[in-house]
Amino acid sequence: GAGVSQTPSNKVTEKGKYVELRCDPISGHTALYWYRQSLGQGPEFLIYFQGTGAADDSGLPNDRFFAVRPEGSVSTLKIQRTERGDSAVYLCASSLISGAARETQYFGPGTRLLVL
Amino acid sequence: AQTVTQSQPEMSVQEAETVTLSCTYDTSESDYYLFWYKQPPSRQMILVIRQEAYKQQNATENRFSVNFQKAAKSFSLKISDSQLGDAAMYFCAYTEGGSEKLVFGKGMKLTVNP
Repeated sequence: GAGVSQTPSNKVTEKGKYVELRCDPISGHTALYWYRQSLGQGPEFLIYFQGTGAADDSGLPNDRFFAVRPEGSVSTLKIQRTERGDSAVYLCASSLISGAARETQYFGPGTRLLVL
Repeated sequence: AQTVTQSQPEMSVQEAETVTLSCTYDTSESDYYLFWYKQPPSRQMILVIRQEAYKQQNATENRFSVNFQKAAKSFSLKISDSQLGDAAMYFCAYTEGGSEKLVFGKGMKLTVNP
């Protein structure tokens, strides 16, 4: 595909459940980023992958959040024991070269997560 | 910690007119980059324009230009000849030269009136 894709587009779950959010980056992009955008706020950084490894996970709010990128392409953000405060839009972005601020981050349309 | 402030939550402009969106930031770094992103209702963040801090010349992209005032830590976006398709949320963002994470402001909703 031409751009970053994310699935599902929307996800409704109940408090305490486990969810997985998927991101397909632009083909050939080595860097992948996850951000969380709460209502009325700008996106906040969660984690950054350089290839298969998480190079910076300092933005993950707690140990209920985990992300993987096993083959250096698709990434999955996993949230355990979801809480109502996890409700937000989760955005994924990718860029051509990792760790280079001059490289543009291309964003996907996000997954809107609603925890009831 | 670096912060990005967008003090105007909403603005409106008449079609074909010019509008300026303001942004200030706080950093002690000398090597950094600034961005304006547009987010339409589709939620996808789209890069509008970027500015490298080491460049004195203000960036321009067609109808979009910035006024980068490094000493004042100000980075405003000017949209000329506003079009209906410019209506969206606009986010100012910052990143350090050696970093990979973007720090965003809270955003500003731009309405374009026909």
